Amino acid sequence: NAGVTQTPKFRVLKTGQSMTLLCAQDMNHEYMYWYRQDPGMGLRLIHYSVGEGTTAKGEVPDGYNVSRLKKQNFLLGLESAAPSQTSVYFCASSRLGSFQPQHFGDGTRLSIL
Amino acid sequence: TQLLEQSPQFLSIQEGENLTVYCNSSSVFSSLQWYRQEPGEGPVLLVTVVTGGEVKKLKRLTFQFGDARKDSSLHITAAQPGDTGLYLCAGPPMEYGNKLVFGAGTILRVKS
Repeated sequence: NAGVTQTPKFRVLKTGQSMTLLCAQDMNHEYMYWYRQDPGMGLRLIHYSVGEGTTAKGEVPDGYNVSRLKKQNFLLGLESAAPSQTSVYFCASSRLGSFQPQHFGDGTRLSIL
Repeated sequence: TQLLEQSPQFLSIQEGENLTVYCNSSSVFSSLQWYRQEPGEGPVLLVTVVTGGEVKKLKRLTFQFGDARKDSSLHITAAQPGDTGLYLCAGPPMEYGNKLVFGAGTILRVKS
């Protein structure tokens, strides 16, 4: 029972490079989310999706783009990486409806040099 | 300024001691969730509290939601080394729909 799977687990990029973080869930959840976690700041929502083909901005969307072409996958892209984007990125998914828990992947640790 | 303020930020205690972690806001939340996160892993849900004044118990952990639904607390009785981790509170403010905002977290270290 995989749950939420994130790839890669670690990555080092140079400033200006681009990359895509992949998230896959096998729980048939409607909602999917991308967060970044920085020391002393908790988890901050980057973008989220309430269903296949739909995305919306969260609290800190600048410098990131997302796509949800298939219900089970949610991709996070960095077009031109900056050192300020060094962080641990978490993907999560949840069922439709209030009070539903979010199920998290194990994170991608991204360093931008 | 975070919408959810957690305190303390860091707690180091001996095995067997009791502790309380607080989660406070000036906003009203439709519910509050508590997650626990271990190094190298994602957060895992412990409990969701929904009703103002609600108290939920999970073995040695007691969770309380404030009457006004602006605050919550987590109390651990007789802490054990296995309780070590990062504890996060999170919830959807009434005006946010289903989106969660997270507190910065409390790092708990229980020494044997």
